[in-house]
Amino acid sequence: QQQVKQSPQSLIVQKGGIPIINCAYENTAFDYFPWYQQFPGKGPALLIAIRPDVSEKKEGRFTISFNKSAKQFSLHIMDSQPGDSATYFCAAGWGGGADGLTFGKGTHLIIQP
Amino acid sequence: NAGVTQTPKFQVLKTGQSMTLQCAQDMNHEYMSWYRQDPGMGLRLIHYSVGAGITDQGEVPNGYNVSRSTTEDFPLRLLSAAPSQTSVYFCASSLLAGGREQYFGPGTRLTVT
Repeated sequence: QQQVKQSPQSLIVQKGGIPIINCAYENTAFDYFPWYQQFPGKGPALLIAIRPDVSEKKEGRFTISFNKSAKQFSLHIMDSQPGDSATYFCAAGWGGGADGLTFGKGTHLIIQP
Repeated sequence: NAGVTQTPKFQVLKTGQSMTLQCAQDMNHEYMSWYRQDPGMGLRLIHYSVGAGITDQGEVPNGYNVSRSTTEDFPLRLLSAAPSQTSVYFCASSLLAGGREQYFGPGTRLTVT
């Protein structure tokens, strides 16, 4: 049973556009929702994270929107640049669990110049 | 402060061979995890640890063993390598439970022939 579903699998956006990546979760015990960015040959790097008591969080050009009732959250990248081309993973975790994060399958994002 | 380090970066094994993937962190984190990453599958949890002497199984533990004798080190052992274990392996650590502020190492690319 896939507990975190991520879409789309791949996405191509022109420079300056706003790519949006969506995730949906099933387990209502989840209370921590991070996004990771991964460049080829590197480990995933924590980008931004949100907790379910807020509906939006911004860090620089990256914004997470969170809809608790729909059990969905999304990543928006403002003024996207070719350097943002990477694979993005959403994930979910809960503070009562010691077993780390449950990840979505990833979105391969390409920002065209 | 090196963060999370992994060795080796690359490894080729023959079916049936055994080996140990090394992971170390210098952030004094209690929580450590091993994930495998396969194309289109995201990151899947193999084993995790909540402190020295305490380990548990994740989503895909078969064929792997772990131990945690110190806070810093969390090696992953492949007992008898199989082609299905060809993957990229990531070690991660976090100060808090539930995957909060989880940091990843650079990964080990393993090929089993």
